[in-house]
Amino acid sequence: AQSVTQLGSHVSVSEGALVLLRCNYSSSVPPYLFWYVQYPNQGLQLLLKYTSAATLVKGINGFEAEFKKSETSFHLTKPSAHMSDAAEYFCAVSDISNFGNEKLTFGTGTRLTIIP
Amino acid sequence: KAGVTQTPRYLIKTRGQQVTLSCSPISGHRSVSWYQQTPGQGLQFLFEYFSETQRNKGNFPGRFSGRQFSNSRSEMNVSTLELGDSALYLCASSLSQLWGYTFGSGTRLTVV
Repeated sequence: AQSVTQLGSHVSVSEGALVLLRCNYSSSVPPYLFWYVQYPNQGLQLLLKYTSAATLVKGINGFEAEFKKSETSFHLTKPSAHMSDAAEYFCAVSDISNFGNEKLTFGTGTRLTIIP
Repeated sequence: KAGVTQTPRYLIKTRGQQVTLSCSPISGHRSVSWYQQTPGQGLQFLFEYFSETQRNKGNFPGRFSGRQFSNSRSEMNVSTLELGDSALYLCASSLSQLWGYTFGSGTRLTVV
């Protein structure tokens, strides 16, 4: 069974500082990986996805993530934090070895706070 | 183009009642999935439908059921509501895993 671990349920960074949110996955085969953001009282918005093409993936709002198979990681970064980045972030994995097994397994989420 | 639409946005129900939630996917998306989000359990997969067939089911009791119509719209039903069913229920639609999943804003269900 696949799983996702997000280290740090809360992360605080100063405005303008580097944002680093950690995600490690467990899967028997290279999976598809996703980062989603959730603002209060809203659904999930896709930030970026890895689907076995380029290992460095660029997403919306200046975020990017690098797939590292040797480390089973897919950490999310942004060079300079903005106040509007304050939200909860979820890493998710999808098993592509099973056709029709279209479901996401989510991590527990990381709440990002931006300090002015 | 229109996103994933979930109705209603908010619901308050009494224990023992049943509830039906609706999800209209993005036009052309045939896969619709449902997730439950709670502070304690996080985001958990309920079930996924594709072309009116349930392809995948999560680990929830039989009180949770769903269906998909020929226009890809989906409904989920929870019978005999319990306090623990209070949650944000999210619907997502997709063309395929390769393209990712687009989520709706969710239905917040409160059971009293």
